[in-house]
Amino acid sequence: SQTIHQWPATLVQPVGSPLSLECTVEGTSNPNLYWYRQAAGRGLQLLFYSVGIGQISSEVPQNLSASRPQDRQFILSSKKLLLSDSGFYLCAWSSRTEGPYNEQFFGPGTRLTVL
Amino acid sequence: LAKTTQPISMDSYEGQEVNITCSHNNIATNDYITWYQQFPSQGPRFIIQGYKTKVTNEVASLFIPADRKSSTLSLPRVSLSDTAVYYCLVAKGSNYQLIWGAGTKLIIKP
Repeated sequence: SQTIHQWPATLVQPVGSPLSLECTVEGTSNPNLYWYRQAAGRGLQLLFYSVGIGQISSEVPQNLSASRPQDRQFILSSKKLLLSDSGFYLCAWSSRTEGPYNEQFFGPGTRLTVL
Repeated sequence: LAKTTQPISMDSYEGQEVNITCSHNNIATNDYITWYQQFPSQGPRFIIQGYKTKVTNEVASLFIPADRKSSTLSLPRVSLSDTAVYYCLVAKGSNYQLIWGAGTKLIIKP
């Protein structure tokens, strides 16, 4: 069966510090991968998606970046965090067949607080 | 600009049927409609997906009229455990775009 891991589960970082969140998927190959952010009490904001190694599409201009160094690894980074980067970060995967229509499976999330 | 619109919140009681409607006026021919459920501090979970007419699974039904400009998620006989946020998603195949609604917070009362 497929599983998706995210770490860390919680993170408290000062403004201006760097960020690295990691997501890995097991039990599947060639997945589509997604990074979402959810501000407190708000909806889902798609940040990045990837259809393959090194292929990253950005949905929202921001101080965040994403990388996919391996087929089942997706990393979200920032060089300098802003207060507005606080939120619940979710990684998700879906089967690449049939493109964007497939069910997305979400990870447990990382709660980031920027102080 | 493609957009999905859904009510911010809804209340209901245990045992009732709950219908949540999502508006997606700019839906295109090859777009699909999907609904997700999210509990606090968890990732969303897939409920149901459809293209047109009616789809039913073990937990919900999805009604989509002929013009496909809206969709209605129907939860039969809700229980307290159905209290959650429900998201409507339009997946656009033409440009690999995902249009998420802002979510409907459903509160089920005893």
